[in-house]
Amino acid sequence: SQTIHQWPATLVQPVGSPLSLECTVEGTSNPNLYWYRQAAGRGLQLLFYSVGIGQISSEVPQNLSASRPQDRQFILSSKKLLLSDSGFYLCAWSGGKEGSSYNEQFFGPGTRLTVL
Amino acid sequence: AQSVTQPDIHITVSEGASLELRCNYSYGATPYLFWYVQSPGQGLQLLLKYFSGDTLVQGIKGFEAEFKRSQSSFNLRKPSVHWSDAAEYFCAVGPSIKAAGNKLTFGGGTRVLVKP
Repeated sequence: SQTIHQWPATLVQPVGSPLSLECTVEGTSNPNLYWYRQAAGRGLQLLFYSVGIGQISSEVPQNLSASRPQDRQFILSSKKLLLSDSGFYLCAWSGGKEGSSYNEQFFGPGTRLTVL
Repeated sequence: AQSVTQPDIHITVSEGASLELRCNYSYGATPYLFWYVQSPGQGLQLLLKYFSGDTLVQGIKGFEAEFKRSQSSFNLRKPSVHWSDAAEYFCAVGPSIKAAGNKLTFGGGTRVLVKP
């Protein structure tokens, strides 16, 4: 069966510090991968998605970037955090275009980021 | 452009009472429809999905949803609510064809509070 991991689970960082959040998927190959953010009391905002290694699509201009160095690894980064980057970050996967489970997304447990 | 509206931001229901959460969508083609649940501090869990066929779909935890094409709605129901159903619920729509990225559009969520 497939599983998705995110770490760290919680993170407190000062303004201006760098950020690296990691997401890995097990039990599937060539997945589509997604990063979402939930601000407090808000819905989900899609930040980035990737359909393959090194292929990143950005949904909104912002202070963050994403990379996919391996098939089942998705990283969210920032060089200098802003207060507004605080939130709950969720990684998700769906089956790749040639695979099953294509249309539905499966979510990781999330990372709570607080920028002070 | 596609959109999902969940008109009720908060709903309070007594334990044992019935629950209905509303979802209306705007989509240019035949959509796939989903309901997810999120417990506090957790990721999203898929409750049920509608792809085609019978418009009344059954999901996990005793939930069901009905697709009404004429009303562009996909409302979620549960006949008898348990205290453990207190959570936030998200409706989502996605493409019914294999398009690059398979992005989902989420509603703003409905927070359900269960009274003893």
